[in-house]
Amino acid sequence: ETGVTQSPTHLIKTRGQQVTLRCSSQSGHNTVSWYQQALGQGPQFIFQYYREEENGRGNFPPRFSGLQFPNYSSELNVNALELDDSALYLCASSFWRQGELFFGEGSRLTVL
Amino acid sequence: EDKVVQSPLSLVVHEGDTVTLNCSYEVTNFRSLLWYKQEKKAPTFLFMLTSSGIEKKSGRLSSILDKKELFSILNITATQTGDSAVYLCAVEAREYGNKLVFGAGTILRVKS
Repeated sequence: ETGVTQSPTHLIKTRGQQVTLRCSSQSGHNTVSWYQQALGQGPQFIFQYYREEENGRGNFPPRFSGLQFPNYSSELNVNALELDDSALYLCASSFWRQGELFFGEGSRLTVL
Repeated sequence: EDKVVQSPLSLVVHEGDTVTLNCSYEVTNFRSLLWYKQEKKAPTFLFMLTSSGIEKKSGRLSSILDKKELFSILNITATQTGDSAVYLCAVEAREYGNKLVFGAGTILRVKS
């Protein structure tokens, strides 16, 4: 049990739709990061949130956006879905500037 | 651009064998190197290494970092079928907060 919970676990969308993924961080952690993991690849950093602000972003277009709430939970929003967005989306929580991340089980997104 | 390369990409061993997984990296302003085990979805933390030459051990697993040659190894002795998983190596750079750059992983299958 990692303490990080994500929802939904699986979802199917069609091209052009929008999706919101949710994450509750482990108790006490103040930083949330989101990663995209395509099949057969390592996780790729999307962005991270600290004190409700985006603090660092990977090579993802603006249609990937997020939020962090006062209770440190977070959302990942993806607009105008494309087929290549099909992946496992992992949320990780941590203390700020401490590299050990604790991952959730992920949300498996399929875009048809 | 920060990069992590893992080898081999996959391997199959028999129970009781010893395996060595390799991770080489290029990163600006290195802070730490981390190893994760991913069985189904959530990567689980194994080790964080920050100093060269200091071996970290946990049961049958051990890892060491060489900051001069920019690589790390993960050793698993007396392998068991429960060790079958994807092993991910990641590096953290100082200026990125908690951002991790992952390798593609090594798929380990332990046969009984």
